[in-house]
Amino acid sequence: GDSVTQTEGLVTLTEGLPVMLNCTYQTIYSNPFLFWYVQHLNESPRLLLKSFTDNKRTEHQGFHATLHKSSSSFHLQKSSAQLSDSALYYCALVSSGSWQLIFGSGTQLTVMP
Amino acid sequence: GPKVLQIPSHQIIDMGQMVTLNCDPVSNHLYFYWYKQILGQQMEFLVNFYNGKVMEKSKLFKDQFSVERPDGSYFTLKIQPTALEDSAVYFCASSAPGQSSYEQYFGPGTRLTVL
Repeated sequence: GDSVTQTEGLVTLTEGLPVMLNCTYQTIYSNPFLFWYVQHLNESPRLLLKSFTDNKRTEHQGFHATLHKSSSSFHLQKSSAQLSDSALYYCALVSSGSWQLIFGSGTQLTVMP
Repeated sequence: GPKVLQIPSHQIIDMGQMVTLNCDPVSNHLYFYWYKQILGQQMEFLVNFYNGKVMEKSKLFKDQFSVERPDGSYFTLKIQPTALEDSAVYFCASSAPGQSSYEQYFGPGTRLTVL
């Protein structure tokens, strides 16, 4: 079945450094939707980015990601981390013909001063 | 942004009892979902509900589970009877009709503890 892999469970970095959180996926469908959700402590998961267009960069709130179907990847990036970026980040997939969000295991990002 | 509310935030019950988790979705949304997250694990899809019917459900959506949204009120998840393995955080989500139907908005979750 479909799956999403986030290889880093925990990422710790210093404020001002670039952020890259990895996300790869597996699906038999050719037109998946990919999402990044962010969850701050004691809050709801909130949609951060979405894409279904191959090789097109999508941006929101300083974060960006590009869906690459050739490598089945949708990595999350930011040029300069801020303390407020500390949160749990989930990559998720919806396949064609389904509304089911399939989540990765999540990456806990901690930004230190 | 759009807000989904969930009531209660925490619920503790004895195994075998019935529990109802309540979700107040975004007002113009028509698609509703429940997800389950066991501590330390990823969120997993349970069920999708639209136009009064279950559209899609996973293997986690056991026979003891049911969902409904009577007359536009709360979207509910009922578990009867509960089992120890039902202890988890349950997240409700909703999405709008049309092209935005894939954008799901989540509530803060209900932490269910079955003793």
